[in-house]
Amino acid sequence: DTGVSQDPRHKITKRGQNVTFRCDPISEHNRLYWYRQTLGQGPEFLTYFQNEAQLEKSRLLSDRFSAERPKGSFSTLEIQRTEQGDSAMYLCASSSTFTEAFFGQGTRLTVV
Amino acid sequence: AQSVTQLGSHVSVSEGALVLLRCNYSSSVPPYLFWYVQYPNQGLQLLLKYTSAATLVKGINGFEAEFKKSETSFHLTKPSAHMSDAAEYFCAVILGNQFYFGTGTSLTVIP
Repeated sequence: DTGVSQDPRHKITKRGQNVTFRCDPISEHNRLYWYRQTLGQGPEFLTYFQNEAQLEKSRLLSDRFSAERPKGSFSTLEIQRTEQGDSAMYLCASSSTFTEAFFGQGTRLTVV
Repeated sequence: AQSVTQLGSHVSVSEGALVLLRCNYSSSVPPYLFWYVQYPNQGLQLLLKYTSAATLVKGINGFEAEFKKSETSFHLTKPSAHMSDAAEYFCAVILGNQFYFGTGTSLTVIP
């Protein structure tokens, strides 16, 4: 499978715990995006990497959120001290141009 | 700011009937526009995209969309709905390095 891969697919965590998600983009893609999608809404932009550089961050990305792409390949998104409002689907996408984006299956986070 | 508006959060059609999902964009210049489909608990799959070439864009699964600058619209159509088309559909526009998505339209296909 050469698509965008996200792990885990589902995560249930207790409020206050830290969680980390991983995204493996399509191998030749230098652009990587993270989006968050809550129930009944469209995806909302969180952050964007070009290679290893994090070039844009949304105001949605509070100081409890951090994303990395250390070698310009896979990326991780960490949420510290999770809150119930963090419950959402976290989507990763990658591309080689700005005119398209290929999305992964997403990680569904439930904070209880 | 550039954005998209999807009219109708829920659309129901009979199997075999025409599918029409509406999307309007706000922009002073021709944007890049996209339609994505999302099945339950899945990621988004690109149906088609408009990138300033032909105004009528054909996508996968028999879908197509027409870019109409005069109406600032990019509506998605399919001549004959199939049960497998039941899903959530998102219109999106790209600005800079970000995709901006509409709120989505849930399509129900009635047998």
